[in-house]
Amino acid sequence: RKEVEQDPGPFNVPEGATVAFNCTYSNSASQSFFWYRQDCRKEPKLLMSVYSSGNEDGRFTAQLNRASQYISLLIRDSKLSDSATYLCVASNYGQNFVFGPGTRLSVLP
Amino acid sequence: GAVVSQHPSWVICKSGTSVKIECRSLDFQATTMFWYRQFPKQSLMLMATSNEGSKATYEQGVEKDKFLINHASLTLSTLTVTSAHPEDSSFYICSASARPLNEQFFGPGTRLTVL
Repeated sequence: RKEVEQDPGPFNVPEGATVAFNCTYSNSASQSFFWYRQDCRKEPKLLMSVYSSGNEDGRFTAQLNRASQYISLLIRDSKLSDSATYLCVASNYGQNFVFGPGTRLSVLP
Repeated sequence: GAVVSQHPSWVICKSGTSVKIECRSLDFQATTMFWYRQFPKQSLMLMATSNEGSKATYEQGVEKDKFLINHASLTLSTLTVTSAHPEDSSFYICSASARPLNEQFFGPGTRLTVL
């Protein structure tokens, strides 16, 4: 079993739709969590950190459920420019970041 | 966010040659730098983690004698692919972090093609 797992995707949604991505992690010692987006043939870029209380940044909302070892990312009012692969990351102090395999999103006109 | 540069952005070389890739954190001191490799349509694969002034920690299956990592300062790490072969052709990406648990900031990547 992979340490970080994500919805396999791809997700094809129309512009304006709301889409949610799920991510689970197996290492209960994980302490920090992040969402990155990666465009084709580009490096990953930090989208947002995920805090225990949940956090929102414009159209993006991230939530963390430590009991279920589950992280989510919600994107509201999808834009064409949101099309990318979204990577979930869990990190344990003193160890490396562990990236999930990514979920590909295509927002269609 | 913080800026990380990588050089070169792409390189084509003959089989058997060595290639050095530089990774620099431009506006912060990176206590830890990471090297990843990504093959087409696959996820990032961590190769090694390096802390300034100490030896890199390699992931299982990554040959440390083939992928030489040097982290001589808080702003520079280098990855040297020694005696490169066509199967080493890949997208190599570095990232830097100011403190443990902090987010990583990625360089733009180096696309290596070995003929």
